[in-house]
Formats: sequence, structure tokens, C-alpha cells
Amino acid sequence: DAKTTQPNSMESNEEEPVHLPCNHSTISGTDYIHWYRQLPSQGPEYVIHGLTSNVNNRMASLAIAEDRKSSTLILHRATLRDAAVYYCILRDFQGAQKLVFGQGTRLTINP
Amino acid sequence: EAGVAQSPRYKIIEKRQSVAFWCNPISGHATLYWYQQILGQGPKLLIQFQNNGVVDDSQLPKDRFSAERLKGVDSTLKIQPAKLEDSAVYLCASSFFGQGGDEQFFGPGTRLTVL
Repeated sequence: DAKTTQPNSMESNEEEPVHLPCNHSTISGTDYIHWYRQLPSQGPEYVIHGLTSNVNNRMASLAIAEDRKSSTLILHRATLRDAAVYYCILRDFQGAQKLVFGQGTRLTINP
Repeated sequence: EAGVAQSPRYKIIEKRQSVAFWCNPISGHATLYWYQQILGQGPKLLIQFQNNGVVDDSQLPKDRFSAERLKGVDSTLKIQPAKLEDSAVYLCASSFFGQGGDEQFFGPGTRLTVL
């Protein structure tokens, strides 16, 4: 499975935008870029995914570099509820469908 | 829509005892996953079912762990006998097709403590 690299932790302030980076230099053409987050004492929850183009949904935006070797999850206006561990995961749409989680980025939101 | 249900939420056992966890996926979801999450780490896949067949169990310690998916719906994960290093949160997830673009829905997990 292709690997991703994320900062161990990040900190931001409430109501400010947050940009969470992810490097995936060995990404293949058939890999989707998925983001999940895990709030304290809960199971992971899906945030967003994309293949080549930038994606938006009600939770976040995903900006994918033109060469697809990196991506950024954007929370437009962070709230305290967004404090969680964020995982960037590559998932081959042709092969096995499991999620391979790394360490993720622990996001702290200051009031 | 009801989410993925798991029980029990917490379990404390002595080492060498056995334990079983139950999962009820979202209705209509063909693919079911069991993950193990050790404190401070990301979840790790133990086994994946497509309907009632096993797709991937490469990381399941088969000498002590077993899992089944009855009639392609509910699933049970068993550990027998448990070791101290099995202390973890066991997460069940399901998805509609199990394809690469599919969203996985996770349950709340079962926190296992082995003493």
C-alpha cells in the first residue's frame, strides 16, 4: 500500500481556516485520496475523498496538487468540535478496499 | 438511517480468557470490516468480508482470533485465548460495495482491556 506523510500535530484557533497537509509521493494512478477523522472516544468518520480534481462537501474541501503527490484538507471555519485526529489515506480503486491508517495529524482547536 | 452497531462497548477480561464482540452493519452494506486500534495508533484491518465470504484476513492472528459473518449480515469477532497485547479498541465498519471510492461507516468500537 502506498504511504502518506502527515505532521503529527497541528493547532489552530476557533473560527479560523485550517489547512492539513498530506504528502503521498508514491501515489499511483488508481489511488483515491481519502480523509477520515476520529473524534475522541469515537470510531473514525469519513470526511472527503478525491482522485484528481479538487472536491468540496459540507464538511471540508480537498485540494489535490496537479502531480497528485500531495493534498491539503481545508476546514474553512474550525469549531471546537473539529478537534480530532485526521487521517490521510490512499486507497486503490482497483485493488483491495481496506483503509490503511497511518498515525494521522492530531488537530487541536483553541477557543 | 441507523449506524453500525457494536456490543459490548467495554470489556475487561483476564489473560487466557476468551471474549466475543458483535457487530451489526448498516442495512444493505455488503462489505464488513473489523479493525484493531491500539492506543496511540491508527486502526489496523484484521479481516474484511464481502457478503459472507472473507476477502482479506492477512493480518488476523489466526491462532487466537476468529471471525464469522452470519448470512452476510451480522458478524462476530472472537479472541481465544486473550493476551495482554490484545488490549485495544475493536472497530467494526461497513460499506455498500467495498470499492476504492466507497465510504466506510464505523461503529463506536469495543474497548477491550486484558489484565
